Amino acid sequence: GAGVSQSPRYKVAKRGQDVALRCDPISGHVSLFWYQQALGQGPEFLTYFQNEAQLDKSGLPSDRFFAERPEGSVSTLKIQRTQQEDSAVYLCASSFSPGLAGIGYFGPGTRLLVL
Amino acid sequence: DAKTTQPNSMESNEEEPVHLPCNHSTISGTDYIHWYRQLPSQGPEYVIHGLTSNVNNRMASLAIAEDRKSSTLILHRATLRDAAVYYCILRLITSGTYKYIFGTGTRLKVLA
Repeated sequence: GAGVSQSPRYKVAKRGQDVALRCDPISGHVSLFWYQQALGQGPEFLTYFQNEAQLDKSGLPSDRFFAERPEGSVSTLKIQRTQQEDSAVYLCASSFSPGLAGIGYFGPGTRLLVL
Repeated sequence: DAKTTQPNSMESNEEEPVHLPCNHSTISGTDYIHWYRQLPSQGPEYVIHGLTSNVNNRMASLAIAEDRKSSTLILHRATLRDAAVYYCILRLITSGTYKYIFGTGTRLKVLA
């Protein structure tokens, strides 16, 4: 498919476990974003990549959250020592060029449940 | 920080026009106004965007106030498939970085 894909779609973790969430952006898209969406809320910005450079990580809620995009394509969001408050849908979006109006294409999200 | 304000919910009858309002009084000159919608268990889907002028596409129209402090998404003929949460978003450009700032969204209910 030509859209943004995310895996896994669902993840159940025990409190204290580490998790890794993957995002495959649309090929050729320079910009990549991660968002966190709590139940019934709008998505909240976590971090932004331009190619492999992480230019903004101001939304990451704690140092347990880490994101990378080493080759400027696939990105991974890692959460260490998960807590119950980390339960949310994690959305990835990509955009062709940051210099334009920047239509973002969102993936379906990964629903994380921490027990 | 820039933010948007939207009504929590709205209802419309099928085949009638829908006007979804949004306030963004703290918008700055380089911020684009985007609208996305989200169906249950799906990621947000792009609807339309604009900077200063009104915009039309096959999905909707976007009317932007002259002072840019508010905008309205117009669905010309609502269908049952348009039932979703509609987000008014500011796309910010800050020091070479970009982000979409979502509001709380308007849940649109379409009545048959």
